Amino acid sequence: QQKVQQSPESLSVPEGGMASFNCTSSDRNFQYFWWYRQHSGEGPKALMSIFSDGDKKEGRFTAHLNKASLHVSLHIRDSQPSDSALYFCAASSSGSWQLIFGSGTQLTVMP
Amino acid sequence: GGIITQTPKFLIGQEGQKLTLKCQQNFNHDTMYWYRQDSGKGLRLIYYSITENDLQKGDLSEGYDASREKKSSFSLTVTSAQKNEMAVFLCASSIQGNNNQAPLFGEGTRLSVL
Repeated sequence: QQKVQQSPESLSVPEGGMASFNCTSSDRNFQYFWWYRQHSGEGPKALMSIFSDGDKKEGRFTAHLNKASLHVSLHIRDSQPSDSALYFCAASSSGSWQLIFGSGTQLTVMP
Repeated sequence: GGIITQTPKFLIGQEGQKLTLKCQQNFNHDTMYWYRQDSGKGLRLIYYSITENDLQKGDLSEGYDASREKKSSFSLTVTSAQKNEMAVFLCASSIQGNNNQAPLFGEGTRLSVL
């Protein structure tokens, strides 16, 4: 079983809409979480990190972390066609160099 | 600014062939990674290295070898390519022991096996 479960597999939203992605971890040692975005033909690029419980907002992007339930989410408001990409959550535990990825969510923003 | 360079960008191999992928970074990062990405799917860790000459196995290390002869470079060898295999191999690097920094990725090497 994957240590980081991500949902949904794919998502379509209209331009200007809200896109939401979810990840649940099965490893209570995970302390550090990131969201990455990958456009077609490119390598993944880190969007934002979240290490503490609660919300973290950066522009149109808001991440939420609940360590008790091992749940992390990412919300994109006012989605743009350029946001269409593959989104991954990733997690690591304290003192570990291993970064474990979820299976990804393919986002399509329709003009 | 720094960059992670992966070579080659595209690699076509034959079944059973030994294939080597290379990665160079000029960030002076200590830790380097190799991940495999199957079409439209998540990344799985093959090998990582926390310093020069160090090698650590990830969950997907079987069928692969790796080498970290210099701090700036990390190579991956597919020991015997599997027929019809298609995947993207991604190299990444980060500062050692710093959980606050997300690893940075290269653009990938796309492998096809005939």
